[in-house]
Amino acid sequence: ETGVTQSPTHLIKTRGQQVTLRCSSQSGHNTVSWYQQALGQGPQFIFQYYREEENGRGNFPPRFSGLQFPNYSSELNVNALELDDSALYLCASSLRLISTGELFFGEGSRLTVL
Amino acid sequence: SQQGEEDPQALSIQEGENATMNCSYKTSINNLQWYRQNSGRGLVHLILIRSNEREKHSGRLRVTLDTSKKSSSLLITASRAADTASYFCATDAAGGTSYGKLTFGQGTILTVHP
Repeated sequence: ETGVTQSPTHLIKTRGQQVTLRCSSQSGHNTVSWYQQALGQGPQFIFQYYREEENGRGNFPPRFSGLQFPNYSSELNVNALELDDSALYLCASSLRLISTGELFFGEGSRLTVL
Repeated sequence: SQQGEEDPQALSIQEGENATMNCSYKTSINNLQWYRQNSGRGLVHLILIRSNEREKHSGRLRVTLDTSKKSSSLLITASRAADTASYFCATDAAGGTSYGKLTFGQGTILTVHP
């Protein structure tokens, strides 16, 4: 148990729709990162939020956006869904340090786009 | 793109044997971490080794780091059926500004037969 919870666990959408995924960070952690993991691949960094501001982004288009709230919970929004967006979306919380230490991952939200 | 390359892609052993997984990366790092993932669920942090360390132990795990070769290895001794999972190395790039950004390899699938 990492103390990081994600919802929903599974969802199915169709192309062109929009989706919102939610993450509750581990208590005391002020940083949240989102990763996309396609089947059979390693996770890829989408973006990271620290104190409600985006702080770093991977190679993902602007239709991937996020929010971090004052209680450090977070949302990942994806607009205009494409088939290739089908993946496991992982949220990870951490304490901001000089370098990236251990990340605490949730169980993920599995998105299927039809 | 993935920075880390794990080798082998899949490893099948008997209970009690040792399992060795290797990881290579491309850029200078602050640290390298190993994570475990059970069947498409969340990732669990195993061990972190900093760039100025050469070897680290944690229980049945032994990690080595060779920064001159940009490579690391994870050894699991006396493996158990419960060790069956995917194992990922992840690097925190030196000089980066995106805290919480780890670059993952594609993983090694370990199967331990009872």
